[in-house]
Amino acid sequence: GQNIDQPTEMTATEGAIVQINCTYQTSGFNGLFWYQQHAGEAPTFLSYNVLDGLEEKGRFSSFLSRSKGYSYLLLKELQMKDSASYLCAVRDSNYQLIWGAGTKLIIKP
Amino acid sequence: GAVVSQHPSWVICKSGTSVKIECRSLDFQATTMFWYRQFPKQSLMLMATSNEGSKATYEQGVEKDKFLINHASLTLSTLTVTSAHPEDSSFYICSARDIQGPDYEQYFGPGTRLTVT
Repeated sequence: GQNIDQPTEMTATEGAIVQINCTYQTSGFNGLFWYQQHAGEAPTFLSYNVLDGLEEKGRFSSFLSRSKGYSYLLLKELQMKDSASYLCAVRDSNYQLIWGAGTKLIIKP
Repeated sequence: GAVVSQHPSWVICKSGTSVKIECRSLDFQATTMFWYRQFPKQSLMLMATSNEGSKATYEQGVEKDKFLINHASLTLSTLTVTSAHPEDSSFYICSARDIQGPDYEQYFGPGTRLTVT
């Protein structure tokens, strides 16, 4: 079966750095996505990785290793507004998105 | 930027009634729209893929006669929950793919919270 694993919850301090990991086992691979979702709201797109390596976009970076079935989202200079759930999703061979359960990130002052 | 709207944002209905949710792409054309359901503290579950002018493709376990999807134009898809029951209470989210944008990008609507009493 297809599976996306990410931690259920993480806590970090304002101004610090946090890394949210995602491992996946899917039938085929056509890209990995990270989305941010605040409570009661729809997800917003953060990043897309299809090749191995690091993609940097401001305070957020996303890394992919296809051979390891592994990705992480790195958030720097954490702000209180970064408190949200972070969803990892993989597009499989049928171009269908398989979603992880999300990681709830709690930022403390 | 690409904007997707949903209407209504929340709705309360009685058991046995039907509810229609609209998903609109406001500033782009979407040949493909997706309907998701999300229960509290759970991830998004794809219900169906809606293609303009053709029948929707439903995921396994989703009753197509209960969740009617119509994608009559390049900017509008509707989801009708027929004979709703309390277990249908959930957060319903649509997303749309811009036919002129990168194929990996989906734009999400703000979601519709349905409560069936």
